[in-house]
This record gives sequence, structure tokens and C-alpha cells, in this order.
Amino acid sequence: LAKTTQPISMDSYEGQEVNITCSHNNIATNDYITWYQQFPSQGPRFIIQGYKTKVTNEVASLFIPADRKSSTLSLPRVSLSDTAVYYCLVGAQGSSNTGKLIFGQGTTLQVKP
Amino acid sequence: DSGVTQTPKHLITATGQRVTLRCSPRSGDLSVYWYQQSLDQGLQFLIQYYNGEERAKGNILERFSAQQFPDLHSELNLSSLELGDSALYFCASSVGYPGKDTQYFGPGTRLTVL
Repeated sequence: LAKTTQPISMDSYEGQEVNITCSHNNIATNDYITWYQQFPSQGPRFIIQGYKTKVTNEVASLFIPADRKSSTLSLPRVSLSDTAVYYCLVGAQGSSNTGKLIFGQGTTLQVKP
Repeated sequence: DSGVTQTPKHLITATGQRVTLRCSPRSGDLSVYWYQQSLDQGLQFLIQYYNGEERAKGNILERFSAQQFPDLHSELNLSSLELGDSALYFCASSVGYPGKDTQYFGPGTRLTVL
């Protein structure tokens, strides 16, 4: 599984757009990029997943450049409740993959009023 | 609410003891995963079951074991407990295997070993 690198922490203010970039230089052809959010003492929650270009859902957007060696999670107009740890995961998909998730250290996002 | 349930929510026990953590996956999900989260190790994958069969093992100690029953619920057994086993234990489930599909995590069981 490809190793990921993301900032340890980020600060933002309410109403701002937050972009968290994840580096995954060794991403393989079959790898998808998935982001999870975790609040203290709660289980991680799926945010978004993508393979290439741009994916958008009701809570976030995921931008993936053509070389796929990095990805950026974009959270529009954050609120205090978006304060959490955000994990970027890269994993191979296909018949030989078990689906286990390998979590890195994550990015702790602190949203200030 | 992810639809994954875990019991108990909290567990306090002593070193050397044995405990069982229980997980009920979302309705229709066949895969169950167990993860351990401690302060100094982050989230670590332990083991995965798919439709009753073990599919993958991660950093699971020999003192730990798990199984998935015909009704698809799963149990994680921790024995000869040590202080270092104190952690949050999460169960996750997904529809199938392999795992492109989303994993849904339960609320976790907080284990404290005294």
C-alpha cells in the first residue's frame, strides 16, 4: 500500500475554505484515494473517495492531478464542528486486496471562531 | 449513526484477564474489520473477516483472536491482558470483499487495563 504524507495540523477560521493536501508518490495504478474524518473517541467516518480528476459530494471535494501523486481534500466554509482529524488513505482495489485500511498520522484541523 | 454497533462501550479490567468485544455489522455487510487505536500507535488494522472466514491479518497479537459467526456478528477476544492493551477498539463493516466499498465504523469499545 502506498505511503501517504499529510500535514500534522492546520488551523482555520469559521467560514473559510480549507484545503488539505496529501502526498502519495508511490501510488499504484489500481489505487483509490479515500479520506476519513475522526472526532475524538469516535470511529472514523468516510468523507470522500476518488481515482482521478475531481470528485464532489455534499460535504467535500477531492482534487486529484493527472499524475495522481497527490490529492487535495477541500472543505468549503468550515464550521467549528469540522474540527477533527482527517486521514488520507491510498489503497489498491481489486480481487487480491482485502480492503484493510492503513491509517497514517492524519491532519488535525482546528477551526477557530 | 453508522449502523455498526459495538458492545460494551467501556470495559475496565485487570492485567492477566480475558475480555470479549462484540460487533454487529450493518445490515447486509459481509466484511468485518477490527482496528485498535492507542495514543502512541494511532489506528492499527488488526484482522478482517468476510462472510465467516478470516481474510487478512494485520498487527494482531497472538493473545488476541477473533471470529465471525453465521449471523455475521463478530467477536474480538483479548487474553492475558497487559497495561499496553488499553486502547479504543473499533469495528468496521463493509458490503463486500475486496474493499473498494466504504467501511463504516462503530462507536468503539474503550478498554482500560489496570
